[in-house]
This record gives sequence, C-alpha cells and structure tokens, in this order.
Amino acid sequence: DTAVSQTPKYLVTQMGNDKSIKCEQNLGHDTMYWYKQDSKKFLKIMFSYNNKELIINETVPNRFSPKSPDKAHLNLHINSLELGDSAVYFCASSQDTGNTEAFFGQGTRLTVV
Amino acid sequence: DQQVKQNSPSLSVQEGRISILNCDYTNSMFDYFLWYKKYPAEGPTFLISISSIKDKNEDGRFTVFLNKSAKHLSLHIVPSQPGDSAVYFCAADYGQNFVFGPGTRLSVLP
Repeated sequence: DTAVSQTPKYLVTQMGNDKSIKCEQNLGHDTMYWYKQDSKKFLKIMFSYNNKELIINETVPNRFSPKSPDKAHLNLHINSLELGDSAVYFCASSQDTGNTEAFFGQGTRLTVV
Repeated sequence: DQQVKQNSPSLSVQEGRISILNCDYTNSMFDYFLWYKKYPAEGPTFLISISSIKDKNEDGRFTVFLNKSAKHLSLHIVPSQPGDSAVYFCAADYGQNFVFGPGTRLSVLP
C-alpha cells in the first residue's frame, strides 16, 4: 500500500520532447511537493502545492509546469527537455505546510539523451 | 548558498558502536528539523524530527540533539546496525518548505 507513488520510475527521452511524471498520495495530505536531486545529490524544492494551490515556485525554468487536478495528485510536466534536466525527481506530501514530516515517493530517474 | 550543511560526506562505524551524524544550519528562521534516511533507488524515509523548542528527541535507537545557539544538530544511532547503512539527510523547515543538506553516507561495518 504505497503512500506516495510516482510514475514512471525510469524515463529516458530525447532532447526537445515533452514528458510528464505523475504523483499520487493516499495519505489525505493537504500539501504536495516536487523535489529535484541533482548530480551532486542535493535535494532541492521545485514546487509546493497546498490544497491544489501553488504556494512555492522556486527558480525553475518555465518549461516545468506542475498540475494539481485534486489534493491527492501533483503531476509534473516538462516541455522541450534539455540534457541538464537529467536528474532524479521526487514527489512528496505532508499533512500541512510546516512542522510536520514529508513522505516521499520512490523517485523518477529522468535521463535526457 | 547552502542553508543546511552536512560537512561529512561519509562516515564508517563498526556494528554495535555509536554513529553520530552532524548537521549545521545558517537560517535562524528554521524552527523544525528532520532526519531522513535514503537507500539507493528509493525515496527518502522520515526518521526523526525535533522542534526548535526542544533540545533532544529520542525514538528507540535514534536520538536527535539540537543546539540552537550553535545552529547545530546531530543524529545519534546506538547501537549501529548494518541495516543502518544508507545516506542520511538533515532537513530544516520554517513553514514553507524543507531545505535539505547534501547528505552523509553512513556505512556500518559488521
């Protein structure tokens, strides 16, 4: 019974393509996040949604667009993929926006060739 | 500009001994701190947390200590077990999002 699940787990695609990564949580949480783990293994926040509304949008290219159709889902769509987008992307959720732990998905390893 | 630092990229400890992982932060607005454990090809898993109003929190073999004046926290694992071998991330939060450190790879040797 996976709490936070993201698909696909691996994604290999060519430069210039558009791709989406899906994320779903069954914990009833109000807040969801997307993190990027770069080549140096840093986990950096990209977006944060609370009750389907965007509350954090860190400095990411506007080729990245999150979509939250409902509280349980936060999908990440990436247009015109570039080599530098290759990374592991983690979805996470938490009950609220502060002073509570976040639960992470297993990650999506994106490789742009 | 790293707001959360873990200056030891790796640590090796003998099974049964204590593992001490350190974390420093720069932003005094942080009021909640967490430790996550990560195995290869898996997402980070929450381990233990501490609020800034406390200086210690214990959960089984895991204890987190917070020294606010030094802006330092540490995770103690005792006794260490081979299954504890993983990358440990320190994270800090001030209500908007979690800021993660770069991680420390712990190897517990049998």
